[in-house]
Amino acid sequence: GAVVSQHPSRVICKSGTSVKIECRSLDFQATTMFWYRQFPKQSLMLMATSNEGSKATYEQGVEKDKFLINHASLTLSTLTVTSAHPEDSSFYICSARDPDSNGYTFGSGTRLTVV
Amino acid sequence: DAKTTQPPSMDCAEGRAANLPCNHSTISGNEYVYWYRQIHSQGPQYIIHGLKNNETNEMASLIITEDRKSSTLILPHATLRDTAVYYCIVSRAGGTSYGKLTFGQGTILTVHP
Repeated sequence: GAVVSQHPSRVICKSGTSVKIECRSLDFQATTMFWYRQFPKQSLMLMATSNEGSKATYEQGVEKDKFLINHASLTLSTLTVTSAHPEDSSFYICSARDPDSNGYTFGSGTRLTVV
Repeated sequence: DAKTTQPPSMDCAEGRAANLPCNHSTISGNEYVYWYRQIHSQGPQYIIHGLKNNETNEMASLIITEDRKSSTLILPHATLRDTAVYYCIVSRAGGTSYGKLTFGQGTILTVHP
């Protein structure tokens, strides 16, 4: 099946700095990717939809200026957490549609810790 | 998207079938039923999905009732590695919500030796 590669798997950063997370579709093209966030002991929450060649669409309550999304190619979407604060510490996960199964394939996630 | 209701937890003996139920009584005609699972600290893994017919793949079987208001995911021979949180999700096949999966709390399946 389709594979989505996410990098880094974990990152620790200082408060006030920015962190970039990459999501790549391997061996298939993804015009749309999705970014989720998961806090401890909670379920995944959709943050935004990343669209190749156009602006991302954000879910209600998600600050677009804080969570910058770039989808510059058919295989790469990036999420940049700007001016990170400890409350941004979470598990960030991306997904894309698997063209073979029509299900959605998820990356392995990025554990962000802001200290 | 329609809401789903799942039991918070279930246990299963290794080697036995695990049957995970899901209620989605408000599902609409163009909504699919998707099942995913998440092992601790990993991204969700796609298992199976269906519209109205029963489906089977190498991982599991999906049984959808005729009125489509509920479904059951069947893991035919559970192993310890099947211990995970299982999510039942209904989502439209197209439109503005295409690809947006709304995750509930899921069912924590624990497979015992």
